[in-house]
Amino acid sequence: EAGVTQSPTHLIKTRGQQATLRCSPISGHTSVYWYQQALGLGLQFLLWYDEGEERNRGNFPPRFSGRQFPNYSSELNVNALELEDSALYLCASSPGTFYGYTFGSGTRLTVV
Amino acid sequence: QQQVKQSPQSLIVQKGGISIINCAYENTAFDYFPWYQQFPGKGPALLIAIRPDVSEKKEGRFTISFNKSAKQFSLHIMDSQPGDSATYFCAASSSGGGADGLTFGKGTHLIIQP
Repeated sequence: EAGVTQSPTHLIKTRGQQATLRCSPISGHTSVYWYQQALGLGLQFLLWYDEGEERNRGNFPPRFSGRQFPNYSSELNVNALELEDSALYLCASSPGTFYGYTFGSGTRLTVV
Repeated sequence: QQQVKQSPQSLIVQKGGISIINCAYENTAFDYFPWYQQFPGKGPALLIAIRPDVSEKKEGRFTISFNKSAKQFSLHIMDSQPGDSATYFCAASSSGGGADGLTFGKGTHLIIQP
């Protein structure tokens, strides 16, 4: 069984640009979660998508947004990039009834 | 209210020893407490999890101890091996975890010396 796949592995953007990160969940998983892992801050909850809808978001500004497609894959968009957005962005998936996340290996976003 | 405090920040244990990592929480609505293991360049992997209706859960060399009254839980790694060297995160959630995501501790960098 394929795990959670994320692309790209690494992404370098200039301050003010937009970044798009992609996630494919495990087959059969309908929930997708996004987390930011910044140095020294640990993992922080960003967004939760289930059945194509945004169900909840963490304490992040609106320039962090995303969507979930009919095949349950997901996209995270970060607009107006700031240097502080440099971090590892992790996607996780779970079956509809949560009892454990499976994380992908992440996208390393560097804003210069 | 939503914090999970994890200690120590780093830990060095001799091979064969017991590694102990502690976490404390404040939100009494938390009802799911997982531990994750993360190797460099990889995403966190679920190691073991516990719910507050039990005080201890054991899976192989890994044991979670849970103290509901003290709002604390800990991970014990018995017979620690060099392959256990990784960063460990405790986490907590309410409503099954989906509604508000997981609240993570800041992590413990564990080194097992051969």
